[in-house]
Formats: sequence, structure tokens, C-alpha cells
Amino acid sequence: DADVTQTPRNRITKTGKRIMLECSQTKGHDRMYWYRQDPGLGLRLIYYSFDVKDINKGEISDGYSVSRQAQAKFSLSLESAIPNQTALYFCATSERALPGDEQFFGPGTRLTVL
Amino acid sequence: AQSVTQLGSHVSVSEGALVLLRCNYSSSVPPYLFWYVQYPNQGLQLLLKYTSAATLVKGINGFEAEFKKSETSFHLTKPSAHMSDAAEYFCAVSESGTGGFKTIFGAGTRLFVKA
Repeated sequence: DADVTQTPRNRITKTGKRIMLECSQTKGHDRMYWYRQDPGLGLRLIYYSFDVKDINKGEISDGYSVSRQAQAKFSLSLESAIPNQTALYFCATSERALPGDEQFFGPGTRLTVL
Repeated sequence: AQSVTQLGSHVSVSEGALVLLRCNYSSSVPPYLFWYVQYPNQGLQLLLKYTSAATLVKGINGFEAEFKKSETSFHLTKPSAHMSDAAEYFCAVSESGTGGFKTIFGAGTRLFVKA
């Protein structure tokens, strides 16, 4: 089984709808991250959490919110989806938050907002 | 703030040819640098990382990267490309943030390998 899973893998929705993307991990890591990937822009950090009680905004948090329900679960919500939120979304984890730490990525959720 | 710049959004090589993917970084402190690879329809996975132990870093699948402080570069190379190397490659750097370090990714370089 995959260590970091994301559901759904694909989602098409309409402008104004509320959407939740879910991430679960079995690696036992405290640190979890949400990124979006856009062509030519690489990965940009939306939110990150260093433990269940800690949530931090990344560089592009506007229009998004997150919930860390447990060590293993980190959800990303779009309260009112808009077309420019169409992107590939990745969840990632790391064991610590030290500078040389590797991040482990889920398979991604492709979101299309019409 | 730390940043990375990847030169060339697309690189095309023939099978068996040298692969060279370029990355330059900007950092006010000794950097921690990474190369990640993304195969089609998959998440990113770590190829290799530089953590100041050695300037030439060897990674998986025959890839290596050399840290050159004087050139602020961390270019990724592989002597002989294989069709299975076709993927998108991301250079990244660690940056200090609230509560710990974050990873800042470059825009990515897509590698095409021709038969």
C-alpha cells in the first residue's frame, strides 16, 4: 500500500462549489504539506502543518483552508472554487522540519473548476 | 529568501546521450539542495540531495549532481540517457520558515528522450 494517499485522484467541479481534498499517510510523520502544481510554475506551497495543533500558511493560501484531523490526516478545502484553482494538488510529508529532510509525496489530485 | 532557477523548461536528448539539467540557487546561508523527479501520473520522489558533506552527490538511477559554490549551481547529470528517464525534474532548496524548514521548488524541467 502507498505511504501517502490522496482522494479523490480526479475531480471536476463548478465555480462556487465547496471542495475538499483529503490526504492520509501511514509513515508516522508529523509534518504534512499541501502544494499545487501549475505548468511552468513548479510546486507552490499552500499550507503546512508541523503537528496536529500547528497550521501555517504557505505562499499561496488565499482561497484555501486546511484541517489537520489527526497526525495521519490533512485535508485541503476550497470554500468557493474558482477556475484559476484548476491545478494538480499534491500532499507531502516529512519526518522532521530540518533543512536536509526529504519530502514524500502522494500521487496527486487533478482538480478542474469549470 | 532562498530560490532556485532551472534553465530550460524542456530538454530533449537522444537515448545514450549525456543528460544535463541546470539549476542555480540563491541563498544567503549554506544551502541544502535537492533534485526530485516526477514520472507521468505520479508524485515527486527524491533523486538526490546536497547537505554539505560532499560536493559531488550521487543519486538513484545513475544520476549525480555537483555543488559549485562559486557558480551557485547544482546541475544534474547522467552520462547515458535511457528512455525510462523521461520525466519532469525539479531542483529545490530548503528555506527557514515558521516552526522549521520548508522546501522551495524550481519551475521544473521536462526531459524528453528520443530513441
